Amino acid sequence: ELKVEQNPLFLSMQEGKNYTIYCNYSTTSDRLYWYRQDPGKSLESLFVLLSNGAVKQEGRLMASLDTKARLSTLHITAAVHDLSATYFCAVDIPQGAQKLVFGQGTRLTINP
Amino acid sequence: DAGITQSPRHKVTETGTPVTLRCHQTENHRYMYWYRQDPGHGLRLIHYSYGVKDTDKGEVSDGYSVSRSKTEDFLLTLESATSSQTSVYFCAIGQIYGYTFGSGTRLTVV
Repeated sequence: ELKVEQNPLFLSMQEGKNYTIYCNYSTTSDRLYWYRQDPGKSLESLFVLLSNGAVKQEGRLMASLDTKARLSTLHITAAVHDLSATYFCAVDIPQGAQKLVFGQGTRLTINP
Repeated sequence: DAGITQSPRHKVTETGTPVTLRCHQTENHRYMYWYRQDPGHGLRLIHYSYGVKDTDKGEVSDGYSVSRSKTEDFLLTLESATSSQTSVYFCAIGQIYGYTFGSGTRLTVV
């Protein structure tokens, strides 16, 4: 059974600081997703990482994937208040029909 | 963006009553999913469909059933709602390089 674990689950940081959210998963998969969710809203796709060593960047967010370590990171550079949200990683189950398994989510609060 | 709509957006129902949530998509995608979101658990898969009349169970399927009689519609039914089924329910469609989620249905069972 595929398990996905994120840490930390809660993160409070100051504007201007850097931080990293970690996503570990338990079985082989070549496809990992990062989503953002604002309170009361749906999930917004941030990144799709499709292969080992993949790195994608959008603004102050950068995501990477190491399939050998079964680890993805979401790095936040010089945080700003607008990045406050809950961030989820999710992994495709490698066998059978296409479906996602989610981590618990990381609630990020960025303080002025 | 793929067109995906959920209805209703909010519902309050009584324990023991049946409830049906609807997910509608406009772009003929094969895969559709129902997830529930609860604090501390992320999103957990309830049921999914890989075609008309083709469905399978997910991680937390007890107490739920689904139907897909047309490509565009995927229905989730709570056969006899319980308080533990109070949650936010998200429908999703699977595409080649990702998944798109609906706006969610907030269900409260009292």
